[in-house]
Amino acid sequence: DGGITQSPKYLFRKEGQNVTLSCEQNLNHDAMYWYRQDPGQGLRLIYYSQIVNDFQKGDIAEGYSVSREKKESFPLTVTSAQKNPTAFYLCASSITGVGANVLTFGAGSRLTVL
Amino acid sequence: GDSVVQTEGQVLPSEGDSLIVNCSYETTQYPSLFWYVQYPGEGPQLHLKAMKANDKGRNKGFEAMYRKETTSFHLEKDSVQESDSAVYFCALSGSSGSARQLTFGSGTQLTVLP
Repeated sequence: DGGITQSPKYLFRKEGQNVTLSCEQNLNHDAMYWYRQDPGQGLRLIYYSQIVNDFQKGDIAEGYSVSREKKESFPLTVTSAQKNPTAFYLCASSITGVGANVLTFGAGSRLTVL
Repeated sequence: GDSVVQTEGQVLPSEGDSLIVNCSYETTQYPSLFWYVQYPGEGPQLHLKAMKANDKGRNKGFEAMYRKETTSFHLEKDSVQESDSAVYFCALSGSSGSARQLTFGSGTQLTVLP
């Protein structure tokens, strides 16, 4: 079955360390997204990419970086510059054009900074 | 900018009770409206949608009417079940239909008591 795989499911990090969250999709979707979920705050867009080798900042991109070298993969790096990195991170994908506003999400990665 | 407001952070109906989860929105565009549901341990998934005013989205006994005059998209169900327990997010998408323009509400935790 097609879907989105995020790994790891749980991750612990010491302050000052960078960590990379993996996101792989086999839906043949062109567009991919990273969201951050905090209790009581809904979903906030970090970065998105509509095509390979191109990506744009979302609403809360500071302290994060991404790459899109392959259509199937969109890894997110949480850098030491991110002031409050403990959160639940969700990767999503969609088609482009008509229907682009319907997202398919992965199961998420929970990052805890110790 | 666009905004989505869900007034209840948590609702605790008993099995068999009726349910209304409020969602109000603000936008200058002609949005599409969505409800996403997030079951424990999973990422959000599309629950129902309405593309234009007076459309009604339906899924698994849930309904939501796109009401332009009151800028609302309340989620309703006549009789909830324990299996409906989840977090529900209301969202709107701007006229372009791009997921980049998706704005999510803060979410409502539905816990159905036995």
